[in-house]
Amino acid sequence: DVKVTQSSRYLVKRTGEKVFLECVQDMDHENMFWYRQDPGLGLRLIYFSYDVKMKEKGDIPEGYSVSREKKERFSLILESASTNQTSMYLCASSPLPKREGRDSPYNEQFFGPGTRLTVL
Amino acid sequence: AQSVTQPDIHITVSEGASLELRCNYSYGATPYLFWYVQSPGQGLQLLLKYFSGDTLVQGIKGFEAEFKRSQSSFNLRKPSVHWSDAAEYFCAVGASGGYQKVTFGTGTKLQVIP
Repeated sequence: DVKVTQSSRYLVKRTGEKVFLECVQDMDHENMFWYRQDPGLGLRLIYFSYDVKMKEKGDIPEGYSVSREKKERFSLILESASTNQTSMYLCASSPLPKREGRDSPYNEQFFGPGTRLTVL
Repeated sequence: AQSVTQPDIHITVSEGASLELRCNYSYGATPYLFWYVQSPGQGLQLLLKYFSGDTLVQGIKGFEAEFKRSQSSFNLRKPSVHWSDAAEYFCAVGASGGYQKVTFGTGTKLQVIP
């Protein structure tokens, strides 16, 4: 059974703290993503990675950084947490698309259960 | 850039009634379209996807969606809703040439009443 796990379900931090959110997938997927989910705003992409040590900014990268030292692990870092970073954080992974045939060039993203981060 | 609009924030239906959740997309070329479901306290799960071929797509849990290019829509339907379908539903669109990056809508929360 495919699985994406996130290090914590709930996390409470103080303003100014450095925060690490960890995500691990056991499916050998090339792509990994970090989203934040807020009521009325849906999911917004923070960063994604398509290979080890490779990363691309998403739509809202400000205040965040990421690290991918191993294929199965993708970390989201809040260098100095602020109250406006209180949110639900979702990690996802997906395999590379097949290059032949009629398969979709987009593959399903598999999501972890999320980390609800509160910054006080 | 692509975008997705889900005009209904919240929908309430009776158990056994039919369901239609609306999704409109904006993208210049043929879009790649998805519907995901998020049950309370859980991550998202793919219900179905469309990228070419038959415009009526069947998914898991008895859901289907119809792609209508003329209306830029990809509405999700189910003929008879079960109480376990109460969840939040997200439509998403992918653009060609990207690294699997998709854009999600703001979601529609479904409440099912007995």
